[in-house]
Amino acid sequence: EIVLTQSPGTLSLSPGERATLSCRASQSVSSDSLSWYQQKPGQAPTLLLYGASRRAPDIPDRFSGGGSGTDFTLTISRLEPEDFAVYYCLHYGTPGTFGQGTKVEVK
Amino acid sequence: QVQLVQSGSEVKNPGSSVKVSCQVSGGSLSTYTFAWVRQAPGRGLEWVGRIIPILALTDYTQKFQGRITLTADKSTGTAYMTLSRLESEDTAMYYCAREEARAIVEWGQGTLVTVSS
Repeated sequence: EIVLTQSPGTLSLSPGERATLSCRASQSVSSDSLSWYQQKPGQAPTLLLYGASRRAPDIPDRFSGGGSGTDFTLTISRLEPEDFAVYYCLHYGTPGTFGQGTKVEVK
Repeated sequence: QVQLVQSGSEVKNPGSSVKVSCQVSGGSLSTYTFAWVRQAPGRGLEWVGRIIPILALTDYTQKFQGRITLTADKSTGTAYMTLSRLESEDTAMYYCAREEARAIVEWGQGTLVTVSS
C-alpha cells in the first residue's frame, strides 16, 4: 500500500502570497493516479486537480500542480480569501490512499 | 449532472452494524465506480473501499477487511456500505464518492455515524 506524506502540516500565509504544498509517495506512482482536493470546514472535499496537473472544471488557474515519481506539488499562485482550507492528495490505487492533509491558514 | 444523496445520521451501539446508502441521480449506477471515504472528527480523510458495480468488483483498505461490505443495487441506483462490529473509533463522517479519470470527481453530502453506548 502506497503511503502519501504531505508537508508542511500547516502553512501560515497572507492573502496574495504564493502557497506550495508537497505530497511525497512511499514509492513511485503514475502521475495519472495523483489528485488534489480542497476541504473547507463542514463541507465535503472538492476536486482541484487530477492526473497531477489537470485542473478540474471551474477551478481557477491560480491552482496548478506538477511532479512525477514520488514527489508532487500543488501551487496556489496568489492566495485568495476563499483558498484558506485543508488540502489533501490522493493516490488512486488498489487500495486508494490519502495524504494526511495540509492546512493553509491566515497568517 | 450526477448527484449522490446519502442516508441520514446514525447512532449505533458498539459491536453492532451500520448500513449507509448512496442514491445516484442523473446517471446510471452501472456506468460508474464508487469509493467510500471516512473522516473522524477533527481528522483527515481515510479511504475505505471501492466498488465497481458493472464488474461486481470490490476493493478494501486492509484495516477494514472482514468488517466492511460494499454492494450496489442496479434496480434502484443505490450503493451501500455496511460496517460491522462497530467500535468507538468508527465514529466518523462517511462519504460515498464517484470516481472518474482515476480521481474522485463527485462527493455525497456525508453520513455521520456515531458509535456510543
